[in-house]
Amino acid sequence: RKEVEQDPGPFNVPEGATVAFNCTYSNSASQSFFWYRQDCRKEPKLLMSVYSSGNEDGRFTAQLNRASQYISLLIRDSKLSDSATYLCVVGDTNAGKSTFGDGTTLTVKP
Amino acid sequence: GAVVSQHPSWVICKSGTSVKIECRSLDFQATTMFWYRQFPKQSLMLMATSNEGSKATYEQGVEKDKFLINHASLTLSTLTVTSAHPEDSSFYICSASRLAENTGELFFGEGSRLTVL
Repeated sequence: RKEVEQDPGPFNVPEGATVAFNCTYSNSASQSFFWYRQDCRKEPKLLMSVYSSGNEDGRFTAQLNRASQYISLLIRDSKLSDSATYLCVVGDTNAGKSTFGDGTTLTVKP
Repeated sequence: GAVVSQHPSWVICKSGTSVKIECRSLDFQATTMFWYRQFPKQSLMLMATSNEGSKATYEQGVEKDKFLINHASLTLSTLTVTSAHPEDSSFYICSASRLAENTGELFFGEGSRLTVL
């Protein structure tokens, strides 16, 4: 079993749709959680950190469930520009290690 | 935000030559730098973890004599692909974490696209 597992995707949705990605992690010592976005042939860029209380940034909402060891990302009112691969990253800062999921590809269509 | 710069952004070389890729943290000191490889339409694959002043820790299946990593200072790590072959053609990306803020957030370089002929 992988340390970090994401929905395999791909997700193909129309503009305006709401889409949710889930990510589970196995290391209970993990302390930091992030969603990154990677566009084709580019480096990953931080989309948002994920906090226990949940956090929202515009159309994006991230949540963390420590008990079940999963994080989620919700995108509302999808835009064409949201098309990208979304990477779940889980960090164990004590071990100095961050682990990536394989990514979920989202394509938003007109 | 923190800036990590990679150089070169793309390189084409002949089979058998060695290629060096630099990763610099421009405005912060990086405790640790990570090197990844990504083949087309595949996920990032961690190759090695590089700590300043010590030997890099390589992931299983990554040849340390093939991919030489040097982390001589808190702002620079280099990856040298030795005796490159066409199968080494890939997108190589580095990332760094900040010394002062142990948040786990990673800052990525722009990536280096290597093509070996």
